Amino acid sequence: QLQLQESGPGLVKPSETLSLTCTVSGGTISTSTYFWGWIRQPAGKGLEWIGSMSYGGSTYYDPSLKSRVTVSVDTSKNQFSLKVNSVTAADTAVYYCTRQRDGSGNYCDYWGQGTLVTVSS
Amino acid sequence: SYELTQPPSVSVSPRQTATITCSGDKLGNNYASWYQQRPGQSPVLVIYQDTKRPSGIPERFSGSSSGNTATLTISGTQAMDEADYYCQAWDSSTSHVVFGGGTKLTVL
Repeated sequence: QLQLQESGPGLVKPSETLSLTCTVSGGTISTSTYFWGWIRQPAGKGLEWIGSMSYGGSTYYDPSLKSRVTVSVDTSKNQFSLKVNSVTAADTAVYYCTRQRDGSGNYCDYWGQGTLVTVSS
Repeated sequence: SYELTQPPSVSVSPRQTATITCSGDKLGNNYASWYQQRPGQSPVLVIYQDTKRPSGIPERFSGSSSGNTATLTISGTQAMDEADYYCQAWDSSTSHVVFGGGTKLTVL
């Protein structure tokens, strides 16, 4: 059974960089069938797609975050990562890592448990 | 930008049928997926490619799509189905994931 687990600091200061890692177990990240991506959810609000990366290295980002976000994959560690630069309080949210099907609607069939990141001084 | 519109809330009595819609002007050319999110939990995929149900999802969950509207139907709704439901699509023209705003399903 595939499992995804987010890790990283739960508290980040304004203007600094948010960094999260997702460790994939029970399966390989090195597959062309799937993208690996990040979604966040501010408290009491809906799901917000951040971005995704394909095995081939192509990246796709939400236009409103594109200038501040980087998603990368480390196949040697079976992990992928998220970096968000110049964070503000508006970036406070639960962050989920996901496996996203390439094609056929690009649905997210596996999700991590989520990790709360608070931006505060 | 591409938007998906859902009703903020839907109420249903136990054992009745709940219907949640998702409208977007590109849905006719793109598959819709649906997720269930119970309070404090991660979202769970319940429908993909408009009508398909992942392994382990009860048969009472079904999906359909017509024109620019996708629909999630829960037949014989149970108290445990009370949750937030989100539709999602892939905008193939921009290669972006798009979510609807979510619908809170209340089982009265």
